[in-house]
Amino acid sequence: SQQGEEDPQALSIQEGENATMNCSYKTSINNLQWYRQNSGRGLVHLILIRSNEREKHSGRLRVTLDTSKKSSSLLITASRAADTASYFCATAGSHNDMRFGAGTRLTVKP
Amino acid sequence: DAGVIQSPRHEVTEMGQEVTLRCKPISGHNSLFWYRQTMMRGLELLIYFNNNVPIDDSGMPEDRFSAKMPNASFSTLKIQPSEPRDSAVYFCASNPGDYGYTFGSGTRLTVV
Repeated sequence: SQQGEEDPQALSIQEGENATMNCSYKTSINNLQWYRQNSGRGLVHLILIRSNEREKHSGRLRVTLDTSKKSSSLLITASRAADTASYFCATAGSHNDMRFGAGTRLTVKP
Repeated sequence: DAGVIQSPRHEVTEMGQEVTLRCKPISGHNSLFWYRQTMMRGLELLIYFNNNVPIDDSGMPEDRFSAKMPNASFSTLKIQPSEPRDSAVYFCASNPGDYGYTFGSGTRLTVV
């Protein structure tokens, strides 16, 4: 399956700390994407990293991709209470059809 | 841009009834995806369209589920007859190609 799998399932940190979430997948990919979902809401696209890229930044977000290990990580620096949400990685198939993992539930305590 | 628009936001129906969920993708996005989200199974890809043509419906759980995209600005997901185990949040998403998806706010379906 090309579906991503996130680790850990849940993460609780204090405001100001960094949060790191990991994703593993099984097949070759065109790109890997990270999404955020607040409770009861739709998913919001955060960042896309292509298979020929190793690292990408967007504001407080840093994503890495290691295609040899079929893994990716999402780092959120200087976390805020508003970052509390579920974070999903998703891998793209040949038609850019995305398969999502089970997600990491991040809680940032003020 | 109003984003991806789904209706209704909430639907409560009795077992055996027909349910129709609606989605209006972002103008110019040539791909549309239907997902179902439950606590037990997470986000499942049900079906997706490219240029209004269904590409892969292998995620549709049963023949009770069907989806159409009669034009570039409208898609429906129909469940007939509905069952309690169909209760979930159904999301529609669109994208213009090799970019991130834009998701709608979802339809929360409860079948009693």
